[in-house]
Amino acid sequence: DAGVIQSPRHEVTEMGQEVTLRCKPISGHNSLFWYRQTMMRGLELLIYFNNNVPIDDSGMPEDRFSAKMPNASFSTLKIQPSEPRDSAVYFCASSYRPSGQGMNTEAFFGQGTRLTVV
Amino acid sequence: KNQVEQSPQSLIILEGKNCTLQCNYTVSPFSNLRWYKQDTGRGPVSLTIMTFSENTKSNGRYTATLDADTKQSSLHITASQLSDSASYICVVSARGYQKVTFGTGTKLQVIP
Repeated sequence: DAGVIQSPRHEVTEMGQEVTLRCKPISGHNSLFWYRQTMMRGLELLIYFNNNVPIDDSGMPEDRFSAKMPNASFSTLKIQPSEPRDSAVYFCASSYRPSGQGMNTEAFFGQGTRLTVV
Repeated sequence: KNQVEQSPQSLIILEGKNCTLQCNYTVSPFSNLRWYKQDTGRGPVSLTIMTFSENTKSNGRYTATLDADTKQSSLHITASQLSDSASYICVVSARGYQKVTFGTGTKLQVIP
């Protein structure tokens, strides 16, 4: 398996523009996570899907952020409108969560999308 | 409030030397603790996972310890190599479905 695939690897955009980050999880995994990483705050969980359903989106910073998972093999994280403080590395991760377990199973991370909003 | 604190924040060591990274947590009720290695420009990769009943676990030159009473964990790297240069992140999970709590990491640099 190629692992978790994220695109693009780098994105530079102007303030106010819409940004869409994409993620293809590992085949067979049923949990998907979006994280944001900055120097100041480290890794932060933004949203968690299980079986394509959003379970916890309390980490999504503002209404400008939205995430979708239309099927088991694809997810998007959208920021609209983008602001300079959104600049960070955004990671997608996936895992296989057997029924009844919490989010304690190992998550496999993609290589991240480095977003710069100028 | 669940917290994970790591020390030191950064560390420089000579190739071939050993080092120990620390992780203190206040997550409750405790389920497990993972150490991740994150190379520059890449996503984190799991090194070890430790549950409440485990005291020590090794993965090659990496040995993790856990003291559930004092809520401390350490990651010991033996005979360091240049490829060990990375950030090491401690992640603690609570029982049941709850958010995992991340430490801010220790940035290790191994120099020749």
